[in-house]
Amino acid sequence: RKEVEQDPGPFNVPEGATVAFNCTYSNSASQSFFWYRQDCRKEPKLLMSVYSSGNEDGRFTAQLNRASQYISLLIRDSKLSDSATYLCVVNPRYNFNKFYFGSGTKLNVKP
Amino acid sequence: GAGVSQSPSNKVTEKGKDVELRCDPISGHTALYWYRQSLGQGLEFLIYFQGNSAPDKSGLPSDRFSAERTGGSVSTLTIQRTQQEDSAVYLCATTPGTGNSGANVLTFGAGSRLTVL
Repeated sequence: RKEVEQDPGPFNVPEGATVAFNCTYSNSASQSFFWYRQDCRKEPKLLMSVYSSGNEDGRFTAQLNRASQYISLLIRDSKLSDSATYLCVVNPRYNFNKFYFGSGTKLNVKP
Repeated sequence: GAGVSQSPSNKVTEKGKDVELRCDPISGHTALYWYRQSLGQGLEFLIYFQGNSAPDKSGLPSDRFSAERTGGSVSTLTIQRTQQEDSAVYLCATTPGTGNSGANVLTFGAGSRLTVL
């Protein structure tokens, strides 16, 4: 079983829609969680860290569910510029220098 | 530097040649990672450095791949006798390498795109 799993998509949504992605992780000892965004032929860039209590940054909301071992990313009022691949990254408690990547969820926002 | 710098940004080489890819980390970042990303695929971990030592090199695909880091700063990934399947984007990322999970965030360079003909 993979450490981190994501639905590869693509998610095709119209502008203005609300879209949500989930990411499941297998190791309950995971400590830190992140969402990265990767544009086509570019490097991944940090979108947001995910905190235990959940956190929001503008149109983006991240949630952590430790009991069910998943994190989620909610994007409200989607823009064309949100089209990208969203990577889930997990950092275990037992080794803070180890990072596990999901394979990414592709989002296409259409006009 | 202010960001992670990688060079060359693009490299085209012939099968069988050796290539060197360079990564210049964010100043003060002690942890450095190399990843490989083939077209349309996810990130594949290659090797991790803490300072100049490499406690985890489990992702290096073969003995044609090697990496070193000197002065706790610049790292070089070397691929000997390149093969067509080595064609990919090679990404370097660094973190402060501290135990503070809130600060232990990966920052990526723009990558080196390698094409082996």
